[in-house]
Amino acid sequence: QVQLVESGGGVVQPGRSLRLSCAASGFTFSTFGIHWVRQAPGKGLEWVALISYDGSNKYYADSVKGRFTISRDNSKNTLYLQMNSLRTEDTAVYYCAKDSGTRGHSCDYWGQGILVTVSS
Amino acid sequence: QSALTQPASVSGSPGQSITISCTGTSSDVGGYNFVSWYQQHPGKAPKLMIYDVSNRPSGVSNRFSGSKSGNTASLTISGLQAEDEADYYCSSYTRSSTPVIFGGGTELTVL
Repeated sequence: QVQLVESGGGVVQPGRSLRLSCAASGFTFSTFGIHWVRQAPGKGLEWVALISYDGSNKYYADSVKGRFTISRDNSKNTLYLQMNSLRTEDTAVYYCAKDSGTRGHSCDYWGQGILVTVSS
Repeated sequence: QSALTQPASVSGSPGQSITISCTGTSSDVGGYNFVSWYQQHPGKAPKLMIYDVSNRPSGVSNRFSGSKSGNTASLTISGLQAEDEADYYCSSYTRSSTPVIFGGGTELTVL
Protein backbone atom coordinates (compact mmCIF):
# COMPACT_ATOMS: atom_id res chain seq x y z
CA GLN A 1 0.00 0.00 0.00
CA VAL A 2 1.09 3.57 -0.62
CA GLN A 3 2.85 5.16 2.34
CA LEU A 4 4.30 8.62 2.76
CA VAL A 5 6.13 9.43 5.98
CA GLU A 6 7.31 12.95 6.77
CA SER A 7 10.15 13.73 9.14
CA GLY A 8 12.42 16.61 10.13
CA GLY A 9 9.92 18.94 11.75
CA GLY A 10 10.35 20.76 15.04
CA VAL A 11 10.80 24.17 16.62
CA VAL A 12 13.07 26.67 14.89
CA GLN A 13 13.80 30.37 15.37
CA PRO A 14 12.75 32.95 12.78
CA GLY A 15 15.36 33.38 10.07
CA ARG A 16 16.78 29.90 10.53
CA SER A 17 16.55 26.87 8.23
CA LEU A 18 14.98 23.43 8.39
CA ARG A 19 14.82 20.49 5.97
CA LEU A 20 11.83 18.20 5.78
CA SER A 21 11.96 14.71 4.31
CA CYS A 22 9.21 12.47 2.96
CA ALA A 23 9.93 8.75 2.59
CA ALA A 24 7.71 7.02 0.03
CA SER A 25 6.84 3.37 -0.47
CA GLY A 26 4.22 1.19 -2.11
CA PHE A 27 4.36 2.78 -5.55
CA THR A 28 6.91 3.55 -8.26
CA PHE A 29 8.19 6.80 -6.77
CA SER A 30 10.18 7.83 -9.84
CA THR A 31 7.09 8.04 -12.05
CA PHE A 32 4.95 10.47 -10.04
CA GLY A 33 5.13 14.11 -9.09
CA ILE A 34 4.94 14.94 -5.38
CA HIS A 35 3.45 17.95 -3.59
CA TRP A 36 4.04 19.71 -0.29
CA VAL A 37 0.87 21.14 1.25
CA ARG A 38 0.74 22.91 4.62
CA GLN A 39 -1.91 23.79 7.17
CA ALA A 40 -1.40 26.49 9.77
CA PRO A 41 -3.01 25.80 13.18
CA GLY A 42 -6.78 26.11 12.87
CA LYS A 43 -6.54 27.20 9.24
CA GLY A 44 -7.15 25.71 5.81
CA LEU A 45 -4.91 23.87 3.39
CA GLU A 46 -2.28 25.83 1.48
CA TRP A 47 -0.47 24.36 -1.49
CA VAL A 48 3.30 24.93 -1.15
CA ALA A 49 5.25 23.21 -3.92
CA LEU A 50 5.25 20.52 -6.60
CA ILE A 51 8.11 18.62 -8.19
CA SER A 52 7.78 16.56 -11.35
CA TYR A 53 8.55 12.85 -11.46
CA ASP A 54 12.13 13.38 -12.56
CA GLY A 55 12.83 16.62 -10.70
CA SER A 56 13.13 18.66 -13.87
CA ASN A 57 10.15 20.90 -13.12
CA LYS A 58 9.48 22.64 -9.83
CA TYR A 59 6.65 24.98 -8.87
CA TYR A 60 6.19 27.10 -5.75
CA ALA A 61 3.53 29.16 -4.03
CA ASP A 62 4.31 32.87 -4.07
CA SER A 63 4.48 32.84 -0.27
CA VAL A 64 7.55 30.57 -0.26
CA LYS A 65 9.19 31.33 -3.60
CA GLY A 66 12.87 32.16 -3.16
CA ARG A 67 12.96 30.74 0.39
CA PHE A 68 11.90 27.09 -0.02
CA THR A 69 13.40 24.49 -2.36
CA ILE A 70 11.75 21.21 -3.27
CA SER A 71 13.92 18.31 -4.41
CA ARG A 72 13.87 14.54 -4.67
CA ASP A 73 16.20 11.55 -4.71
CA ASN A 74 14.59 8.81 -6.76
CA SER A 75 17.30 6.35 -5.76
CA LYS A 76 16.16 6.74 -2.15
CA ASN A 77 12.41 7.18 -2.81
CA THR A 78 12.60 10.39 -0.81
CA LEU A 79 11.29 13.93 -1.24
CA TYR A 80 12.75 16.97 0.47
CA LEU A 81 11.73 20.51 1.33
CA GLN A 82 14.57 22.85 2.26
CA MET A 83 13.10 25.80 4.13
CA ASN A 84 15.30 28.87 4.57
CA SER A 85 14.65 32.30 6.11
CA LEU A 86 11.75 30.87 8.07
CA ARG A 87 9.04 33.21 9.29
CA THR A 88 6.49 32.83 12.07
CA GLU A 89 3.79 32.55 9.41
CA ASP A 90 5.45 29.36 8.13
CA THR A 91 4.28 27.60 11.30
CA ALA A 92 2.10 24.73 10.09
CA VAL A 93 1.66 21.01 9.66
CA TYR A 94 3.42 20.09 6.44
CA TYR A 95 2.06 17.22 4.36
CA CYS A 96 3.69 15.50 1.43
CA ALA A 97 1.17 14.17 -1.07
CA LYS A 98 1.47 12.00 -4.16
CA ASP A 99 0.28 13.52 -7.41
CA SER A 100 -2.34 11.37 -9.12
CA GLY A 101 -0.57 11.68 -12.45
CA THR A 102 -3.51 13.35 -14.17
CA ARG A 103 -3.34 16.85 -15.65
CA GLY A 104 -5.41 18.14 -12.78
CA HIS A 105 -2.66 17.46 -10.24
CA SER A 106 -4.98 16.02 -7.60
CA CYS A 107 -3.31 14.51 -4.53
CA ASP A 108 -4.41 10.91 -4.16
CA TYR A 109 -2.31 9.86 -1.16
CA TRP A 110 -1.12 11.94 1.78
CA GLY A 111 1.37 11.51 4.57
CA GLN A 112 0.36 11.98 8.21
CA GLY A 113 1.96 15.41 8.36
CA ILE A 114 4.80 16.93 10.38
CA LEU A 115 4.60 20.03 12.54
CA VAL A 116 6.98 22.93 11.98
CA THR A 117 6.90 25.70 14.59
CA VAL A 118 8.75 28.93 13.90
CA SER A 119 9.12 30.84 17.13
CA SER A 120 11.70 32.76 19.09
CA GLN B 1 -3.44 34.40 -6.14
CA SER B 2 -6.56 34.32 -3.93
CA ALA B 3 -7.97 31.08 -2.62
CA LEU B 4 -11.11 29.60 -4.12
CA THR B 5 -14.26 30.69 -2.27
CA GLN B 6 -16.18 28.17 -0.18
CA PRO B 7 -18.87 28.72 2.47
CA ALA B 8 -17.40 28.57 5.95
CA SER B 9 -19.95 26.06 7.16
CA VAL B 10 -22.89 23.94 6.09
CA SER B 11 -25.09 21.57 8.05
CA GLY B 12 -27.66 18.88 7.48
CA SER B 13 -29.53 16.11 9.22
CA PRO B 14 -28.82 12.41 8.75
CA GLY B 15 -30.28 11.12 5.51
CA GLN B 16 -30.48 14.55 3.91
CA SER B 17 -28.38 15.88 1.03
CA ILE B 18 -26.08 18.88 1.20
CA THR B 19 -24.09 20.77 -1.41
CA ILE B 20 -20.85 22.67 -0.90
CA SER B 21 -19.89 25.27 -3.50
CA CYS B 22 -16.44 26.31 -4.65
CA THR B 23 -16.16 29.50 -6.69
CA GLY B 24 -13.13 30.53 -8.69
CA THR B 25 -12.43 32.29 -11.95
CA SER B 26 -12.00 31.50 -15.61
CA SER B 27 -8.28 31.00 -14.90
CA ASP B 28 -8.93 28.05 -12.63
CA VAL B 29 -12.31 26.41 -11.90
CA GLY B 30 -14.03 27.79 -14.98
CA GLY B 31 -11.19 27.17 -17.38
CA TYR B 32 -10.46 23.52 -16.75
CA ASN B 33 -12.22 20.34 -15.66
CA PHE B 34 -9.60 19.78 -12.97
CA VAL B 35 -11.41 20.38 -9.68
CA SER B 36 -10.73 18.07 -6.74
CA TRP B 37 -12.44 17.69 -3.37
CA TYR B 38 -10.85 16.55 -0.11
CA GLN B 39 -12.32 15.43 3.20
CA GLN B 40 -10.40 16.08 6.41
CA HIS B 41 -11.38 14.81 9.84
CA PRO B 42 -9.87 16.59 12.88
CA GLY B 43 -6.23 15.71 13.40
CA LYS B 44 -6.11 13.60 10.25
CA ALA B 45 -4.61 13.99 6.80
CA PRO B 46 -6.90 15.02 3.94
CA LYS B 47 -8.47 12.31 1.79
CA LEU B 48 -9.21 12.66 -1.91
CA MET B 49 -12.96 12.29 -2.54
CA ILE B 50 -13.44 13.65 -6.07
CA TYR B 51 -11.02 14.45 -8.89
CA ASP B 52 -11.43 16.00 -12.31
CA VAL B 53 -14.76 17.57 -11.26
CA SER B 54 -16.83 14.41 -10.96
CA ASN B 55 -14.67 11.29 -10.72
CA ARG B 56 -14.54 9.21 -7.55
CA PRO B 57 -11.37 7.35 -6.57
CA SER B 58 -11.76 3.66 -5.85
CA GLY B 59 -13.25 3.10 -2.41
CA VAL B 60 -15.07 6.43 -2.10
CA SER B 61 -18.79 6.08 -1.48
CA ASN B 62 -21.12 6.90 -4.37
CA ARG B 63 -22.97 9.20 -1.94
CA PHE B 64 -20.31 11.74 -2.90
CA SER B 65 -20.66 13.44 -6.28
CA GLY B 66 -19.16 16.47 -7.98
CA SER B 67 -20.24 18.85 -10.69
CA LYS B 68 -19.35 22.21 -12.21
CA SER B 69 -21.12 25.11 -13.84
CA GLY B 70 -19.15 28.07 -15.09
CA ASN B 71 -16.71 29.25 -12.44
CA THR B 72 -18.40 27.30 -9.62
CA ALA B 73 -17.85 23.67 -8.71
CA SER B 74 -20.03 21.75 -6.27
CA LEU B 75 -19.71 18.73 -4.00
CA THR B 76 -22.95 16.97 -3.10
CA ILE B 77 -23.22 14.46 -0.30
CA SER B 78 -26.43 12.45 -0.31
CA GLY B 79 -27.80 10.28 2.47
CA LEU B 80 -25.82 12.26 5.04
CA GLN B 81 -24.20 10.16 7.77
CA ALA B 82 -22.59 11.10 11.07
CA GLU B 83 -19.18 10.02 9.75
CA ASP B 84 -19.42 12.65 6.99
CA GLU B 85 -18.93 15.39 9.58
CA ALA B 86 -15.57 16.88 8.61
CA ASP B 87 -13.91 19.76 6.81
CA TYR B 88 -14.09 19.75 3.02
CA TYR B 89 -11.68 21.51 0.68
CA CYS B 90 -11.86 22.07 -3.04
CA SER B 91 -8.81 22.61 -5.22
CA SER B 92 -8.27 23.42 -8.85
CA TYR B 93 -5.58 23.45 -11.46
CA THR B 94 -4.74 27.04 -12.39
CA ARG B 95 -3.30 28.73 -15.43
CA SER B 96 -0.93 30.77 -13.27
CA SER B 97 2.66 29.95 -12.30
CA THR B 98 1.34 28.06 -9.29
CA PRO B 99 -0.49 25.03 -10.72
CA VAL B 100 -2.70 24.24 -7.71
CA ILE B 101 -4.96 26.42 -5.58
CA PHE B 102 -7.15 25.38 -2.63
CA GLY B 103 -10.41 26.73 -1.33
CA GLY B 104 -10.69 28.07 2.20
CA GLY B 105 -12.53 25.00 3.42
CA THR B 106 -16.07 24.23 4.61
CA GLU B 107 -16.97 22.72 7.95
CA LEU B 108 -19.80 20.21 7.60
CA THR B 109 -21.91 19.56 10.67
CA VAL B 110 -24.30 16.61 10.78
CA LEU B 111 -27.08 17.64 13.14
